[in-house]
Amino acid sequence: QLQLQESGPGLVKPSETLSLTCTVSGDSMSSYYWGWIRQPPGKGLEWIGSIYQSGNANYNPSLNSRATISIDSSKNQLSLRLNSVTAADSAVYYCASDRGSSAWYYYWGQGTLVSVSS
Amino acid sequence: DIVLTQSPDTLSLSPGDRATLSCRASQSVSNTYLAWYQQKPGQAPRLLIYAASRRASGIPDRFSGSGSGTDFALTISRLEPEDFAVYYCQYYGSSPLLTFGGGTKVEIK
Repeated sequence: QLQLQESGPGLVKPSETLSLTCTVSGDSMSSYYWGWIRQPPGKGLEWIGSIYQSGNANYNPSLNSRATISIDSSKNQLSLRLNSVTAADSAVYYCASDRGSSAWYYYWGQGTLVSVSS
Repeated sequence: DIVLTQSPDTLSLSPGDRATLSCRASQSVSNTYLAWYQQKPGQAPRLLIYAASRRASGIPDRFSGSGSGTDFALTISRLEPEDFAVYYCQYYGSSPLLTFGGGTKVEIK
């Protein structure tokens, strides 16, 4: 059973870069599709971006090219970097995955709350 | 861009009731890429339905999905206490590549 665990700073200053890691256990990262999704407190879900093992990533245009997703298979880690953050980027950030499709996510981490504040 | 509109915002029902949740797309979409999730407070979303009508692994058969074109539905045949949660529909394949509806909260009446 694939298990995902997000980690990273809980507090980031405005204009700085948010960096999160998703550590994967239970299976090899190859053959899975990966994504990051976020959820502002009390609000709905927003897709940030997706990546497959090839390294080709797709991003939500609403983020204005601020997001970068990468995979380090040797460390069993998925990473997210979001630069020039503002208070609007405060949210619970989830990593998610599916073995068979990039169109939905069966496996989810528990999420990590990131607040953007000075 | 495809927009998914879920209705109602809140559904107040009793255990044992039948729940029907709606997800309407702003333009016709492929059934193949429509999914539904359940989210309970403090938890990550849980995939219920994919490809509009296929239950994900481990999902009870009281959950079913249907629809085509612009109108999709998630039906819970008989609500169990653990089914009171927020439900999201999600579509893959447009811009943005993956988009979620705003959610429907199913609450205890």
